Amino acid sequence: EVLMTQSPATLSVSPGERVTLSCRAGQSVSNYLAWYQQKVGQAPRLLIYGASTRATGIPARFSGGGSGTEFTLTISSLQSEDFAVYYCQQYNKWPRGTFGQGTKVEIK
Amino acid sequence: EVQLVESGGGLVQPGGSLRLSCAASGFSFSSYSMNWVRQAPGKGLEWVSYISSTSRATIFYADSVKGRFTISRDNAKNSLYLQMNSLRDEDTGVYFCATETLVRGVMDYWGQGTLVTVSS
Repeated sequence: EVLMTQSPATLSVSPGERVTLSCRAGQSVSNYLAWYQQKVGQAPRLLIYGASTRATGIPARFSGGGSGTEFTLTISSLQSEDFAVYYCQQYNKWPRGTFGQGTKVEIK
Repeated sequence: EVQLVESGGGLVQPGGSLRLSCAASGFSFSSYSMNWVRQAPGKGLEWVSYISSTSRATIFYADSVKGRFTISRDNAKNSLYLQMNSLRDEDTGVYFCATETLVRGVMDYWGQGTLVTVSS
């Protein structure tokens, strides 16, 4: 199993700020990395796949980067609707995709 | 509009069984692979099982549920199922069905989930 480690566990941010979330894989996953957003009581929502490709309908303020073992999700200017938990997921070892433990982005 | 609606969750005693269903609409269900993913209370996401789209389906399970859970689908009914037997406390959580229509391994549409509680 590929261990995915996200940091930090919690980020306290003000609206309008730039935010960068990190995700590290225990072994190389190439660019087979996705990011999901989950709000309280809701299903996860796909944001990014292929490490940097935005899913349909995802605003341009979300961007993904990295390859191999180090990945980032950047939100260029945090909006009120962006406060949520963000998960990275590797799918290089399909079908046993593994998720990180999540980063909670909360209002400062 | 793609819709996935899970049902069948509830309270069950350890050792008991439940059958979850996922009703799909708004897309060509028979053309796409499906997954079950679960989330323990206050915890992260855990992939549970995968089934391919074909009639001779390819099926995979997480080690934590292998031998106890069975995934299946009925393409004529646009439905996905998860038969859960020998349930344990640690199986408690919200179970989501999710499809892969974009890229293998990427879950781009998710249902709202159904809560399974295993407790005596």
